[in-house]
Amino acid sequence: DGGITQSPKYLFRKEGQNVTLSCEQNLNHDAMYWYRQDPGQGLRLIYYSQIVNDFQKGDIAEGYSVSREKKESFPLTVTSAQKNPTAFYLCASSMGLGGDTQYFGPGTRLTVL
Amino acid sequence: QQQVKQSPQSLIVQKGGISIINCAYENTAFDYFPWYQQFPGKGPALLIAIRPDVSEKKEGRFTISFNKSAKQFSLHIMDSQPGDSATYFCAATYSGSARQLTFGSGTQLTVLP
Repeated sequence: DGGITQSPKYLFRKEGQNVTLSCEQNLNHDAMYWYRQDPGQGLRLIYYSQIVNDFQKGDIAEGYSVSREKKESFPLTVTSAQKNPTAFYLCASSMGLGGDTQYFGPGTRLTVL
Repeated sequence: QQQVKQSPQSLIVQKGGISIINCAYENTAFDYFPWYQQFPGKGPALLIAIRPDVSEKKEGRFTISFNKSAKQFSLHIMDSQPGDSATYFCAATYSGSARQLTFGSGTQLTVLP
């Protein structure tokens, strides 16, 4: 089945620790995105990548880092510099140039203890 | 100018009724307007989308109405069912933004049996 997988589904972290969220897609999409969702709010863009080895900051990139070494993978690291990291994190992908529709993964719920 | 304003925040409809969710935007460069449906703990799923060259698009019980001059678009759910109970997000994007989606704040729809 083609799709986007995110792991883990739930993640708990102690304050001061970095944590990496996984996102993999087998849709052969060029572009990938990370969003953060807080209760009662819309999705906010953290980082996006249109092509391997290139990525751009979104609206709320502070305290986060990403890499795009492979087309199918776009991991997100939540660093200790992120002041309020507890949230639902969503990864998405699209065809890229000329591809409008973004398809979302199931999400990872991160809780900082 | 990047904002998309969505209303209402929550909506309760009787089974068989019509659910209407409204969105407004400022950026006239937006050229693609998708609606996403999200169930609790899941990633958003594309429901229906429209481009500004048409005023209406219908897919089954779901219809988007688009008013370019007013910079508004709305989602109509006909014959609403309890299974439609979810959070709905409108969004907008344009090619010059690397297809970043700007999301509305979401509408929590409850359809009573």
